Amino acid sequence: GAVVSQHPSRVICKSGTSVKIECRSLDFQATTMFWYRQFPKQSLMLMATSNEGSKATYEQGVEKDKFLINHASLTLSTLTVTSAHPEDSSFYICSARDLGGPQNTIYFGEGSWLTVV
Amino acid sequence: AQSVAQPEDQVNVAEGNPLTVKCTYSVSGNPYLFWYVQYPNRGLQFLLKYITGDNLVKGSYGFEAEFNKSQTSFHLKKPSALVSDSALYFCAVRGSPGGYNKLIFGAGTRLAVHP
Repeated sequence: GAVVSQHPSRVICKSGTSVKIECRSLDFQATTMFWYRQFPKQSLMLMATSNEGSKATYEQGVEKDKFLINHASLTLSTLTVTSAHPEDSSFYICSARDLGGPQNTIYFGEGSWLTVV
Repeated sequence: AQSVAQPEDQVNVAEGNPLTVKCTYSVSGNPYLFWYVQYPNRGLQFLLKYITGDNLVKGSYGFEAEFNKSQTSFHLKKPSALVSDSALYFCAVRGSPGGYNKLIFGAGTRLAVHP
């Protein structure tokens, strides 16, 4: 079945540095991908919609300059957390819609744990 | 605005017994409803969805969900629980027509199946 892969699965970075998380659709093309963050024992909160070849659409309250999203190809979207702070530590999950799949099913990546120290 | 409510933080079930994880929704227009499961430190796995058609939807791992329009519910069920079903379950509704495939998630329900 369709697979969405995230890399890295875990990353630790120092405060003030930037870190990039990749989201790839491995066997299908995704014109749109979605980025979520999940705090421990909480639900998923949509951060932004990543659109291939155009600017991402951010949810209210999400800082565009802090969470940079690039969707350069039909199989890759990247989330860059800039000038990371400890409060950015979270579980980040991407999802992608398989247009050619059964009834437009959405698939999620395995998630990426970010720890900012 | 679309919203999803999962009234139970945790559901405890003995192995072999039937399980139900509750979900109610609020949406304008026809609802598109989903169930996902999350195992520890992992992403989400799709279980099933309701778009249209039969109210009883069958999904992965023996799970099913019943869409009830009058009660605005989409409860997840399984006739016989397994210990391996223990995980975090999320109900989700698709966002407004303009936000296609933008999923809005419930708070999640932790299912604990005891041997």
